[in-house]
Amino acid sequence: DTEVTQTPKHLVMGMTNKKSLKCEQHMGHRAMYWYKQKAKKPPELMFVYSYEKLSINESVPSRFSPECPNSSLLNLHLHALQPEDSALYLCASSQEGIGWLVRGYTFGSGTRLTVV
Amino acid sequence: AQKVTQAQTEISVVEKEDVTLDCVYETRDTTYYLFWYKQPPSGELVFLIRRNSFDEQNEISGRYSWNFQKSTSSFNFTITASQVVDSAVYFCALPGTDDSSYKLIFGSGTRLLVRP
Repeated sequence: DTEVTQTPKHLVMGMTNKKSLKCEQHMGHRAMYWYKQKAKKPPELMFVYSYEKLSINESVPSRFSPECPNSSLLNLHLHALQPEDSALYLCASSQEGIGWLVRGYTFGSGTRLTVV
Repeated sequence: AQKVTQAQTEISVVEKEDVTLDCVYETRDTTYYLFWYKQPPSGELVFLIRRNSFDEQNEISGRYSWNFQKSTSSFNFTITASQVVDSAVYFCALPGTDDSSYKLIFGSGTRLLVRP
């Protein structure tokens, strides 16, 4: 299995809703990432989990809350989002733990989030 | 600091034309890796190639080829005999340095449209 699977593919939520994005990989990768991508922009890093521990938070607002229940799963809990949070949310994994990135990432296909 | 520049915002070609996507990078590292990713309309970032700075040999994979020139800090990507399925956004990237080595620094991307 050489995939990163993200669900759901599309999500529309109101500003008062609570929702979660899910990401799963079974490649034994040691680090997992959340990236946010606005239209016509490159992806921007949000969080990094290395060996199931939150290692990096790129000053992301607290309305985004990541969780790594085990080495294969990564969640992103969303609460009280704003319309400007509408974007493509990409999950990625890398074989290495946090450190020198050698092999690059394997990305999922993303969740297109619309906040209304 | 690490930087990746993709000066071509959009390129439009007719099917079967050859097309080259430019990538220029800046790094203070003596050893580094460079990556190309493809992002079709479906959203997933697909890994295309990884190149390390030790190896300046050009690489060919089917219709794809890459020209790495350390002297000019460029890592250009050529698609020969383009096809409609090549239509996508292409990102060049390199890892951050020092305490940001876990992060991929992306260029702004080049949107390629291949017309039938």
